[in-house]
Amino acid sequence: DAEITQSPRHKITETGRQVTLACHQTWNHNNMFWYRQDLGHGLRLIHYSYGVHDTNKGEVSDGYSVSRSNTEDLPLTLESAASSQTSVYFCASSGTGLAGKNTGELFFGEGSRLTVL
Amino acid sequence: RKEVEQDPGPFNVPEGATVAFNCTYSNSASQSFFWYRQDCRKEPKLLMSVYSSGNEDGRFTAQLNRASQYISLLIRDSKLSDSATYLCVVTPDYKLSFGAGTTVTVRA
Repeated sequence: DAEITQSPRHKITETGRQVTLACHQTWNHNNMFWYRQDLGHGLRLIHYSYGVHDTNKGEVSDGYSVSRSNTEDLPLTLESAASSQTSVYFCASSGTGLAGKNTGELFFGEGSRLTVL
Repeated sequence: RKEVEQDPGPFNVPEGATVAFNCTYSNSASQSFFWYRQDCRKEPKLLMSVYSSGNEDGRFTAQLNRASQYISLLIRDSKLSDSATYLCVVTPDYKLSFGAGTTVTVRA
């Protein structure tokens, strides 16, 4: 069955370190997204991609970067981790429906819980 | 103003009760609307799309009011398994905007 997986599921790191969260999907979806979820804020979009070599900033992109070298993967990198980046991170993917628009159904990974000390 | 706003709740209801809650959105150009369900510490999953004419899926009914810019979700005959956080999702463009969620707790 197609799926979307994230790794690591849990990570503890120190302030200033570089961290990369992996996201791999086998749906063959063009669209991939990274969200962070914090109490009181819901899901906030960090970066997204509509296809290979396409990346776009979301509403909370500062301090994060992504790259899309193939359809399956969208790794999220924290260049220099900060305590404010302690959060649960969700990767998601979606297909492209009529007229090239996002179908609206996102398939989420199980989340990566990151703690920055 | 946030793009999508929800009453966080919690809504505590007994089994068998009906519970309903709304979600307001700010972008009048929004075209697509959805309800997602998220169980504690799990990933969100699509519950249902919301169509202009309103739609039902079993015990769940979704409504859209474009004039007042809100969508609603009604759950009839609540089950213990309906306890979750319900996220309202709006697509003002190609991206999806999520509300912070409404928590529903169904008690025996």
